[in-house]
Amino acid sequence: EAEVAQSPRYKITEKSQAVAFWCDPISGHATLYWYRQILGQGPELLVQFQDESVVDDSQLPKDRFSAERLKGVDSTLKIQPAELGDSAMYLCASSLVPAGAYNEQFFGPGTRLTVL
Amino acid sequence: SQQGEEDPQALSIQEGENATMNCSYKTSINNLQWYRQNSGRGLVHLILIRSNEREKHSGRLRVTLDTSKKSSSLLITASRAADTASYFCATDASYSGAGSYQLTFGKGTKLSVIP
Repeated sequence: EAEVAQSPRYKITEKSQAVAFWCDPISGHATLYWYRQILGQGPELLVQFQDESVVDDSQLPKDRFSAERLKGVDSTLKIQPAELGDSAMYLCASSLVPAGAYNEQFFGPGTRLTVL
Repeated sequence: SQQGEEDPQALSIQEGENATMNCSYKTSINNLQWYRQNSGRGLVHLILIRSNEREKHSGRLRVTLDTSKKSSSLLITASRAADTASYFCATDASYSGAGSYQLTFGKGTKLSVIP
């Protein structure tokens, strides 16, 4: 069964360092999402791609976060510099089409980031 | 901001019992989805119910939707230890462009099923 791949699974870094997360969506899925999930909370959308274009990055802290999906397939989320408050699970998800009425999303296992 | 709010925040039951979780939301929606998250893992889609549907079943899951009350419930019947997880409702009230709606998740209900 096809799955969304993410790496690394765990990342520990010191504040002010740069970190990067990678996501490979299910083959053929045009829409890719990055979420941040703080412990005890639900996921919150950071950025949404449709193919290689950003559809929504209104919740992305652009002073330190960046995301790209250059060829419309895999994607990278970067934080520079990392802050203590960035400690969270970073989830990637993909969906087959940007649907208005049907939008099941398939999630990867996530990257657990700890900033010391 | 989180649109859906699950209730209760935590639920502990014995294996074989039924588990009911509720979700309330604030604005009109096209559909509502329920996801499960095992500890430290990604989310798994369970079921989607459209705004013009009132009830939907999938195996041991039953979801209801009351748009007049802006609420939904997820019932898991004959629970098993493997059902232990956090359960989230997600609504698609926010339009994010390109024909796509942004999913907004609640804080989740943490279900513990005791063998």
